[in-house]
Amino acid sequence: NAGVMQNPRHLVRRRGQEARLRCSPMKGHSHVYWYRQLPEEGLKFMVYLQKENIIDESGMPKERFSAEFPKEGPSILRIQQVVRGDSAAYFCASSPNPGNYPKEQYFGPGTRLTVT
Amino acid sequence: GQQLNQSPQSMFIQEGEDVSMNCTSSSIFNTWLWYKQEPGEGPVLLIALYKAGELTSNGRLTAQFGITRKDSFLNISASIPSDVGIYFCAGLIQGAQKLVFGQGTRLTINP
Repeated sequence: NAGVMQNPRHLVRRRGQEARLRCSPMKGHSHVYWYRQLPEEGLKFMVYLQKENIIDESGMPKERFSAEFPKEGPSILRIQQVVRGDSAAYFCASSPNPGNYPKEQYFGPGTRLTVT
Repeated sequence: GQQLNQSPQSMFIQEGEDVSMNCTSSSIFNTWLWYKQEPGEGPVLLIALYKAGELTSNGRLTAQFGITRKDSFLNISASIPSDVGIYFCAGLIQGAQKLVFGQGTRLTINP
């Protein structure tokens, strides 16, 4: 039973380019979450999505960042016109229906974005 | 916004010692999760807690959901070298699905 998959594992972009990060949830999970982690810090929530719907984007920067989880295919976190401050590890997590127990979120290995 | 204060920030112990770390908050949480993260990897779920006062074990790990619902602790007994890593607490607030994370406790073990 495959876990949460993320790709690429490492991504290098020059300032001004676009970054696209992909996440495939665990089998049977239809809820996806994106978190960002800066060095030596805990993870910070960005966005929560169900298939074709954004449920909570309260942690997402208002500009340059967007996320989607289409009916078919992985969830995508897109960062346009990247800046050096976007360099971080981006983690995706998935869960079964979080309205019921259990409410655990399972994390992927992350994408480490470096902006040069 | 909600914050979790996790302590200690780091621990340096001898193999075989017991370890204790905790998280506190000014907010009430309905769910507490404890994760372990190793370099270059994502957090791995260790223990989930759902009820105030709940005490749950996973092998040498034991975690408790505080009675006030504002704190939780994690104990590791008889530490071994593979316990090295960063341990995070995370909480879920009623009606929200976003995890709030502590700052992490970095555990280093001297053999």
